[in-house]
Amino acid sequence: DVKVTQSSRYLVKRTGEKVFLECVQDMDHENMFWYRQDPGLGLRLIYFSYDVKMKEKGDIPEGYSVSREKKERFSLILESASTNQTSMYLCASTLTDTQYFGPGTRLTVL
Amino acid sequence: QKEVEQNSGPLSVPEGAIASLNCTYSDRGSQSFFWYRQYSGKSPELIMSIYSNGDKEDGRFTAQLNKASQYVSLLIRDSQPSDSATYLCAVMYRNNDMRFGAGTRLTVKP
Repeated sequence: DVKVTQSSRYLVKRTGEKVFLECVQDMDHENMFWYRQDPGLGLRLIYFSYDVKMKEKGDIPEGYSVSREKKERFSLILESASTNQTSMYLCASTLTDTQYFGPGTRLTVL
Repeated sequence: QKEVEQNSGPLSVPEGAIASLNCTYSDRGSQSFFWYRQYSGKSPELIMSIYSNGDKEDGRFTAQLNKASQYVSLLIRDSQPSDSATYLCAVMYRNNDMRFGAGTRLTVKP
């Protein structure tokens, strides 16, 4: 069965903190994605990766970075969290074209 | 620009009626199109994919694609209250870059 896990369901951080969101998939998928989802804005692509150590910017990469050192793990990093980064963060992985989503991390930045 | 546009809704239909959801996309080179369903508080899940012009049916769901008009739609026949959710249109661009629309919220009233 397909499984994508995210390190936390809920996270509360303070402005200026460095935040790590982890995503792990157990399906040997090549492609992994990070989205944020906000009411009325849908899913917006932050970064995606099509191979280990490879990354591509999505629509809203500012304020974020990513790391993919192993095929199964894709990390999203907020170098200095700000209140406008309060959102639901969703990780997904794909083999060909079907995206499988993790449960999401609801991040609140105070 | 890789844009995917959907009517934001909300769309309300009575139980048993046909729900019609629409989506347009900007890149003529796109080859793969998807409909995801997202229940409140949950992650999106794939319900239909379509790659060729015309209709594709799966149970009560029919996806329609018109590449010349850059238009994809989803019809839900015999709508049920359990179909109440947000429906997300997704388009895969080159290099497995996947973009989503903002979603249409559907309510099916008993």
